[in-house]
Amino acid sequence: AQSVTQLGSHVSVSEGALVLLRCNYSSSVPPYLFWYVQYPNQGLQLLLKYTSAATLVKGINGFEAEFKKSETSFHLTKPSAHMSDAAEYFCAVSPGKWGAGNMLTFGGGTRLMVKP
Amino acid sequence: DAGITQSPRHKVTETGTPVTLRCHQTENHRYMYWYRQDPGHGLRLIHYSYGVKDTDKGEVSDGYSVSRSKTEDFLLTLESATSSQTSVYFCAISPTSNEQFFGPGTRLTVL
Repeated sequence: AQSVTQLGSHVSVSEGALVLLRCNYSSSVPPYLFWYVQYPNQGLQLLLKYTSAATLVKGINGFEAEFKKSETSFHLTKPSAHMSDAAEYFCAVSPGKWGAGNMLTFGGGTRLMVKP
Repeated sequence: DAGITQSPRHKVTETGTPVTLRCHQTENHRYMYWYRQDPGHGLRLIHYSYGVKDTDKGEVSDGYSVSRSKTEDFLLTLESATSSQTSVYFCAISPTSNEQFFGPGTRLTVL
């Protein structure tokens, strides 16, 4: 069984400030982890993924995330927020090579607001 | 962008009527998925397919059925729509690399 918890359904930052979106997971097998972004009225776009290689993963648009097994976390960060980063962000976990069907379990999402 | 289309993009229907949503891909990916998105719940898996005529249930499959007669098409059917099925429905596809690619979504309103 696997689950994902995203702390904070809404996060507000000022333009230029650090973005930190939190994700904690539980998984009975070594997981694969993903961050997706959703802009209004659009589908989900993959930001980055962790698949058991480097623990620090760099994604698109300047985002990165670090896999910390001891903390069961995969927090998403960006050093300097831009107005265009305003969107909803979803963390997801899959059993990776240990599971069939590439099943993803999503967190509830965090809406990021960026103030000018 | 992955070649995924969903139709219709918007639909309003009445309680008790059947509804079919279509997902079409041009990527020839093996896996296809249907999710629903509701505020505070993220995306929840309804059904998925791992090949033609091979489907299985997800977390919230009650009231939904699916069919996949061709690699490129995955249909989601609500046999008798209820107001609790008002949602945004997303189709996703996946090759064997584990990541999923999402379609643009279908907004369904059941009155």
